[in-house]
Amino acid sequence: NAGVTQTPKFRILKIGQSMTLQCTQDMNHNYMYWYRQDPGMGLKLIYYSVGAGITDKGEVPNGYNVSRSTTEDFPLRLELAAPSQTSVYFCASSAERGSPLHFGNGTRLTVT
Amino acid sequence: QKEVEQDPGPLSVPEGAIVSLNCTYSNSAFQYFMWYRQYSRKGPELLMYTYSSGNKEDGRFTAQVDKSSKYISLFIRDSQPSDSATYLCAMKGPQAGTALIFGKGTTLSVSS
Repeated sequence: NAGVTQTPKFRILKIGQSMTLQCTQDMNHNYMYWYRQDPGMGLKLIYYSVGAGITDKGEVPNGYNVSRSTTEDFPLRLELAAPSQTSVYFCASSAERGSPLHFGNGTRLTVT
Repeated sequence: QKEVEQDPGPLSVPEGAIVSLNCTYSNSAFQYFMWYRQYSRKGPELLMYTYSSGNKEDGRFTAQVDKSSKYISLFIRDSQPSDSATYLCAMKGPQAGTALIFGKGTTLSVSS
């Protein structure tokens, strides 16, 4: 029972580099989310998707892009990494928006 | 006033103590209330899910919602060292399109 799987677990980027954070879920959930978690700041929603081909911005979308070509996968793209993007990134899914979220174990990203 | 307020702690208690964790909120439209537990370097996991006002009990955990005071609580009885984690409250309104709003989390440490 994998649930939500995120890769990689850790990554160090130099300023200006790009990368894709991978997220896949095996629960056939329509809704998927990307959050970032900074110390003392709680979880902030970056982007979400209500189904394949449909995505929308959350509270802090600047500097990120997403795509949703399948129900299972929801990758998050950083095009020009900046130190302000140093954070822990969590992917989550739910059966419908607002119902309990199932989280992955996060990707710890450091941009130097 | 922030939508959801949660004291970050840290809260330190001896094993066997009763723990009370709380959140206040400002949006009277919130109807769904959740508590997530997050261990260090892991993703949040759903602990309790309640709708509208009232109490819900699950083993050593009890969730209370007081909509008139815009106040929710999580009680942990007979606390164990394994309860040491960060606890996040989360809530949303009734409409399908509204987002889940998280508190910043309270860090709990239970010493043996």
